[in-house]
Amino acid sequence: AQKVTQAQTEISVVEKEDVTLDCVYETRDTTYYLFWYKQPPSGELVFLIRRNSFDEQNEISGRYSWNFQKSTSSFNFTITASQVVDSAVYFCALSDSNYQLIWGAGTKLIIKP
Amino acid sequence: KAGVTQTPRYLIKTRGQQVTLSCSPISGHRSVSWYQQTPGQGLQFLFEYFSETQRNKGNFPGRFSGRQFSNSRSEMNVSTLELGDSALYLCASSLGAGTGLNEQYFGPGTRLTVT
Repeated sequence: AQKVTQAQTEISVVEKEDVTLDCVYETRDTTYYLFWYKQPPSGELVFLIRRNSFDEQNEISGRYSWNFQKSTSSFNFTITASQVVDSAVYFCALSDSNYQLIWGAGTKLIIKP
Repeated sequence: KAGVTQTPRYLIKTRGQQVTLSCSPISGHRSVSWYQQTPGQGLQFLFEYFSETQRNKGNFPGRFSGRQFSNSRSEMNVSTLELGDSALYLCASSLGAGTGLNEQYFGPGTRLTVT
């Protein structure tokens, strides 16, 4: 069965530090999608990235970067030079064979000024 | 472009009552999905509707139901409320079907408290 594990329940760093959020997944499917969503204190989840299983290129978007490694079934997310506005809960998710999302438990990121 | 809207934002109900929550997707989006979020269980998928048809359903009892109208607006209903139904109910819309395929846009949620 598919599964997403975000082992870090909560991370606290000081502003401007780099921080990496871990995501490990399990699936037997050869074709699948991985997602990251952000949930700020306001509550609305915000889409960050979608990656398909055939594209292992790392992605960079401003201060955000993602490292996808099929060999270790990981899709980690790094924020460079963190800012207070990055404080949120971050969810990693995996598509199942019906193309529905399986969500990780989330990592609460606290950025201290 | 207006975002996903959910009404009401907050609701307090008594055990045994029923409740209807409403979701208006982004214009042009035909898929609407519902999620329940609680501190203990996290984000759990309830169901997805696409073009008025239920495409997928999560592992919830039959007390939870939903529907989608021809204008893509969706409602979900919970009958015979239990204390454990207290949660944040999130609605999301996307252009295409499949929450695991498409970028979803989420609403602010409805906070339901059952007393």
